[in-house]
Amino acid sequence: KNQVEQSPQSLIILEGKNCTLQCNYTVSPFSNLRWYKQDTGRGPVSLTIMTFSENTKSNGRYTATLDADTKQSSLHITASQLSDSASYICVVSALSGYALNFGKGTSLLVTP
Amino acid sequence: GAVVSQHPSWVICKSGTSVKIECRSLDFQATTMFWYRQFPKQSLMLMATSNEGSKATYEQGVEKDKFLINHASLTLSTLTVTSAHPEDSSFYICSARPGTGPADTQYFGPGTRLTVL
Repeated sequence: KNQVEQSPQSLIILEGKNCTLQCNYTVSPFSNLRWYKQDTGRGPVSLTIMTFSENTKSNGRYTATLDADTKQSSLHITASQLSDSASYICVVSALSGYALNFGKGTSLLVTP
Repeated sequence: GAVVSQHPSWVICKSGTSVKIECRSLDFQATTMFWYRQFPKQSLMLMATSNEGSKATYEQGVEKDKFLINHASLTLSTLTVTSAHPEDSSFYICSARPGTGPADTQYFGPGTRLTVL
């Protein structure tokens, strides 16, 4: 069964600090992995997308890494801001079809 | 580009009434649209997949007679929650897949918060 596990479930950090969110998956055959940011009461917004051959992708203060061998990904947030408070969702696609496999998300709270 | 809108953004209704939620792709044609439901602190759960001009495909456990989906055009899909009950209260999110590009590309709408009293 295709699964996507994220950790931690929730995280609280001080403004300006860095943090790293983890995503492990069993989706096979692997196609790509996306990180989304979902603000409370809003739809998910794509941050990064990585295919099998990519092991890092940046989008401003967000840097995603991918280890396709160990089936792990991380999202690193640098110099966090209050506006980074949101749920971060890891989504993995298989080569077959269009179905997306969602993680449960990590809820991040950045405090002043 | 690739903007998906939903209307309304939130709705409150009485138990037993029906509610219609619209999903529009504003700047591209969506051959496929998806409807998700999200409960608090949970991830998105796919409810159904609809292709323009054909019947929707529902995920296991989703009642097709309760959640009516219509995808009448390449830019509009609607979800109607019929005879809504409090347990239908949730955050409903649609996504749209363009007719070109990777099969797993989906652009998400901003969601609709449904509260059934």
